[in-house]
Amino acid sequence: GAVVSQHPSRVICKSGTSVKIECRSLDFQATTMFWYRQFPKKSLMLMATSNEGSKATYEQGVEKDKFLINHASLTLSTLTVTSAHPEDSSFYICSASYRNNEQFFGPGTRLTVL
Amino acid sequence: QKEVEQDPGPLSVPEGAIVSLNCTYSNSAFQYFMWYRQYSRKGPELLMYTYSSGNKEDGRFTAQVDKSSKYISLFIRDSQPSDSATYLCAMNENTGGFKTIFGAGTRLFVKA
Repeated sequence: GAVVSQHPSRVICKSGTSVKIECRSLDFQATTMFWYRQFPKKSLMLMATSNEGSKATYEQGVEKDKFLINHASLTLSTLTVTSAHPEDSSFYICSASYRNNEQFFGPGTRLTVL
Repeated sequence: QKEVEQDPGPLSVPEGAIVSLNCTYSNSAFQYFMWYRQYSRKGPELLMYTYSSGNKEDGRFTAQVDKSSKYISLFIRDSQPSDSATYLCAMNENTGGFKTIFGAGTRLFVKA
């Protein structure tokens, strides 16, 4: 149980384009979903927290107009990286939670912006 | 001072060794403590979850929490090459609008 999927697992795009990443909780309803960014050999950096049907809460320093988050249902959240630039290249990981303490992570999406 | 401190390693041990991974923290309000395992280029996987102080055992893994010292540990017995991964500690306060704080992760290599 508590399986979270992410799609795509890997994406390469040109600078200036937008990329959408989907995060789905497959066997439970997630009250909260989280989006993280991870640089090589570094820990997880929380970008934003989203609850179904409400606006995401962004962490300090994360541009909400650049990283658009939509949490349309209890099983789906999307992260759109708008006007991507090479410095946005990173490993993006989502997690989902249905109770306060445990987060179940997706497999991650590796974004490369050329 | 970071809220959660974790030695990034790398830690290299021979197969069969007992591994001790540790984190210290500064926020005395943390109540829930977790250990995640992350293989290269994969998302973290929840290994252990404990509440408040004490020990919890699951197979070869034992998690310990010492709230008085603000110190948590994960022990791996009879370590295997397949245990080679990055181990992240995580903790939160379980208040409304909870936020989980992660350690930097310790890279573990178990040599066959």
